[in-house]
Amino acid sequence: EAGVAQSPRYKIIEKRQSVAFWCNPISGHATLYWYQQILGQGPKLLIQFQNNGVVDDSQLPKDRFSAERLKGVDSTLKIQPAKLEDSAVYLCASSLDDRNEQFFGPGTRLTVL
Amino acid sequence: GQNIDQPTEMTATEGAIVQINCTYQTSGFNGLFWYQQHAGEAPTFLSYNVLDGLEEKGRFSSFLSRSKGYSYLLLKELQMKDSASYLCAVRENSNYQLIWGAGTKLIIKP
Repeated sequence: EAGVAQSPRYKIIEKRQSVAFWCNPISGHATLYWYQQILGQGPKLLIQFQNNGVVDDSQLPKDRFSAERLKGVDSTLKIQPAKLEDSAVYLCASSLDDRNEQFFGPGTRLTVL
Repeated sequence: GQNIDQPTEMTATEGAIVQINCTYQTSGFNGLFWYQQHAGEAPTFLSYNVLDGLEEKGRFSSFLSRSKGYSYLLLKELQMKDSASYLCAVRENSNYQLIWGAGTKLIIKP
């Protein structure tokens, strides 16, 4: 069974630029999560989707971050404009539903200069 | 408030046993997860406890005491490949979301 796919794996941008990350969850998984993990910290949930609907985006900085999962499968996370403090690993995870184990993708390491 | 505490770093010797503790204070509880995360990689699931007691899975065991807000992960017969960060996460019962600890970096020495 294929795991959660993410791209790109690494991205370096300058502050105030825009960036987008892509995630393809495990087939059949209804729930999709985007996390931000700053070095030395645990993952912080940014947004949770159930199929193509948003369940929770309370910790998403909506002035600069946006995410969508239009067809209930793939998802994209965008940052516009980026700030230095956005440097982190962005992890995508999926699960059958919100009560099951989460499977993580390899992450995208973002460096903002 | 919500808080999950784990030691920042631990060191152990190859072949030995190590116990990584996790204490939590959350508004609700619907299970506790342990994940392993090698440097530069994604977290991978190790164990899940929802009832008090010990869950054993090969060289790894996880214990939970809900009344004490306490869990530990026990790693036996340590191998060099066990060098990683170990993340404790509590699932809330209101929305099933995971509240994550900062992780314990485990260093294995020969």
